[in-house]
Amino acid sequence: DVKVTQSSRYLVKRTGEKVFLECVQDMDHENMFWYRQDPGLGLRLIYFSYDVKMKEKGDIPEGYSVSREKKERFSLILESASTNQTSMYLCASSFGRGSGYTFGSGTRLTVV
Amino acid sequence: GENVEQHPSTLSVQEGDSAVIKCTYSDSASNYFPWYKQELGKRPQLIIDIRSNVGEKKDQRIAVTLNKTAKHFSLHITETQPEDSAVYFCAASSGGGADGLTFGKGTHLIIQP
Repeated sequence: DVKVTQSSRYLVKRTGEKVFLECVQDMDHENMFWYRQDPGLGLRLIYFSYDVKMKEKGDIPEGYSVSREKKERFSLILESASTNQTSMYLCASSFGRGSGYTFGSGTRLTVV
Repeated sequence: GENVEQHPSTLSVQEGDSAVIKCTYSDSASNYFPWYKQELGKRPQLIIDIRSNVGEKKDQRIAVTLNKTAKHFSLHITETQPEDSAVYFCAASSGGGADGLTFGKGTHLIIQP
């Protein structure tokens, strides 16, 4: 069974802090994704990666960056956290095209 | 880019009845349409998906239909049970999902006993 592990379930950070959210998958999936989930807005794509050191912007990349130095790990970085980045962050991975995503359990980030 | 509209936002049905959730998409190049179920406090999980070369797909009590001409697809759940209560998300992608899925805003399905 594919596992996607997000390092923290809950995080509280201060405005202006640099925040790292980590995601690791154990099934050699090519594609990895970061979404944020907000009530009434569904899931919105922040960034994705289809290979090591490759990254592509999603629909809402502003204020975020990513890093994929190893195939199994995809990190989301909030360069300077702001209160409007308070959200649930979901990492996902998939193998190739036309295959479903496996999601991590999510990180609920609160920026105060 | 792609835009996915999902209706209704909330659906309440009696246990044993059928439930239908509908989605429309804007990008005619979209070719992959998965559905995810998210129970309270849990991660979204894939329940069924369909590709653009197929009009209908079934898996036990769950079915998905796709109308490419009208650019809409629907989730059908028959003989609903209490454990079907959850938020359901539809999604669409033109790259088979490899370049990201665009999700609808979700439908909260409530099964009344």
